[in-house]
Amino acid sequence: DAKTTQPPSMDCAEGRAANLPCNHSTISGNEYVYWYRQIHSQGPQYIIHGLKNNETNEMASLIITEDRKSSTLILPHATLRDTAVYYCIVRVQLNMNRDDKIIFGKGTRLHILP
Amino acid sequence: DTGVSQDPRHKITKRGQNVTFRCDPISEHNRLYWYRQTLGQGPEFLTYFQNEAQLEKSRLLSDRFSAERPKGSFSTLEIQRTEQGDSAMYLCASSRDRGEVNEQFFGPGTRLTVL
Repeated sequence: DAKTTQPPSMDCAEGRAANLPCNHSTISGNEYVYWYRQIHSQGPQYIIHGLKNNETNEMASLIITEDRKSSTLILPHATLRDTAVYYCIVRVQLNMNRDDKIIFGKGTRLHILP
Repeated sequence: DTGVSQDPRHKITKRGQNVTFRCDPISEHNRLYWYRQTLGQGPEFLTYFQNEAQLEKSRLLSDRFSAERPKGSFSTLEIQRTEQGDSAMYLCASSRDRGEVNEQFFGPGTRLTVL
């Protein structure tokens, strides 16, 4: 089972910041938080990941709480093309067993409204 | 376009027929994964290759399913005696060992419809 909890859907106005929450209260010390998104009829697309510190790239920012039990993905200026299902995933750091499959939940369906 | 390609993009077949899907990963990626996604659900892991070795198979992968990656490059997923419950999107992903983190790049998927 997925180790994260996300709201099933959210709306955001175009041009505004979209803030997508994720709870991962059972996260372990060696588990990373990853975010992927899936636009309709496409495969999932990697967005960002983090361990403890906040992270930012050209697509988004990831804010992880100090206790690491929750995080927020921020799309700073949402566009219509950001309409997608967003998956928050926790993944163990690569280890000797090299088991790194992704366990997806149902994600959050984000609707960007014009 | 992530660089991972899948063929065909769509497949319609009759129950009981065999189907085979192909995945071409990004060329320098040594890891390859297959996932299945049904409507309204997130992708579910099926199996994983490191080079040509199949290292893990999900219990979702029944005896009717077989996957190969003979030369450590492209992979095929075959479903024998298809059932209506096999109707789904079949996704392939690839990645390369980069130490601590491992970003998977997904292909566009093959949508299977079993009539």
